[in-house]
Amino acid sequence: NAGVTQTPKFQVLKTGQSMTLQCAQDMNHNSMYWYRQDPGMGLRLIYYSASEGTTDKGEVPNGYNVSRLNKREFSLRLESAAPSQTSVYFCASSEAGTWSRQPQHFGDGTRLSIL
Amino acid sequence: GQQLNQSPQSMFIQEGEDVSMNCTSSSIFNTWLWYKQEPGEGPVLLIALYKAGELTSNGRLTAQFGITRKDSFLNISASIPSDVGIYFCAGQSRGAGNMLTFGGGTRLMVKP
Repeated sequence: NAGVTQTPKFQVLKTGQSMTLQCAQDMNHNSMYWYRQDPGMGLRLIYYSASEGTTDKGEVPNGYNVSRLNKREFSLRLESAAPSQTSVYFCASSEAGTWSRQPQHFGDGTRLSIL
Repeated sequence: GQQLNQSPQSMFIQEGEDVSMNCTSSSIFNTWLWYKQEPGEGPVLLIALYKAGELTSNGRLTAQFGITRKDSFLNISASIPSDVGIYFCAGQSRGAGNMLTFGGGTRLMVKP
């Protein structure tokens, strides 16, 4: 019963490097999300996908791109990493309808450090 | 953007005590959600509230949607050590494209 699976769990990058964070859910949910969490702050939405083939910017999208590869997978890409992107990244999913735009299930996060 | 203020920021209580925390906003919300996050894990949804005045329980947890629609409260009765974690509120206003806004969290520590 995996739920939302994120890879990798930890990553250290140098400024300017690129990388893709992977996320997959096995609950047949329509909506998927990428959040970042910084110390002492709540979660901030980076991007949202209401369904396969659609993506929308959230509160802090600059410096990120996303791809909703299929219904299960939603990836987050940093093209040129910056120290300000050091954070813990969470992927989440939810059903359609009432739960659209309200994340129900979160992954365990990817801890990303950029030097 | 919208801001949510959670208080207290942290609490250190004795096992068995009741806990109260709240979340306030300058804006009206139509939905309030409460999540718990344990160290090294993602948030877990605890309770969802959709109607002003609504009171909903989940075991020892009870949450209320404030009648002004600008606040919400979470109470935990008879706390136990496994209640330790960070509790986040999140609010959502009506309207197309409106996403959740998260509060900064209340860190709960329980002394056995």
